[in-house]
Amino acid sequence: DIVMTQSPDSLAVSLGERATINCKSSQSVLYSSNSKNYLAWYQQKPGQPPKLLIYWASTRESGVPDRFSGSGSGTDFTLTISSLQAADVAVYYCHQYYMTPFSFGPGTTVDVQ
Amino acid sequence: QVQLQESGPGLVKPSQTLSLTCTVSGGPINSGSYYWSWIRQPAGKGLEWIGRIYTSGSTDYNPSLKSRVTISLDTFKNQFSLRMTSVTAADTAVYYCARSSVVGGTVYWFDPWGQGTLVTVSS
Repeated sequence: DIVMTQSPDSLAVSLGERATINCKSSQSVLYSSNSKNYLAWYQQKPGQPPKLLIYWASTRESGVPDRFSGSGSGTDFTLTISSLQAADVAVYYCHQYYMTPFSFGPGTTVDVQ
Repeated sequence: QVQLQESGPGLVKPSQTLSLTCTVSGGPINSGSYYWSWIRQPAGKGLEWIGRIYTSGSTDYNPSLKSRVTISLDTFKNQFSLRMTSVTAADTAVYYCARSSVVGGTVYWFDPWGQGTLVTVSS
């Protein structure tokens, strides 16, 4: 099974500042035949289901603000919020869809400092 | 636009069976290539994939739950269901249903998701 870890567990950032979340998988989620990383990022606010932000590690979902960006390959990935807005306060999860059982990171809580 | 909605009892007694249904609207459940999954989230905790069913009816389960879980498809009602036996307090969680697209044999991420339904296991 692929174990996903995230760091930090939580972070507080001033409005307008950058927030960076790291995600690591216990084995590579890069599929060599198509050179795609099977890694997605979700945002979850209280009482709501997770919302897809990023897929293929770096492709932004339609309608997601461009202040959200994803990077990384293999086993190490990063979600960056370039300029934190109040609406971005949430828990963020990384997710590997490379193989079953699919798995998620434990989540990173982002708050305003 | 496809939408998913979970339904079922909010309270289940320990040792009994949890049964939930996900109703799909906006398109036939057996049209196209999709996996339909169940995912759960205990309060204040992370997400756990339970299992999935393909439009053909084939299933995959998380090994950690496989012995207790069955997922089935009802194409006439445009629904898929989760059945989990011998529940304990550890099964208390918000249960989500979600869809994954399959394109060229590649399984995609979970999107969309239902709103989720809270199931509490308590006597």
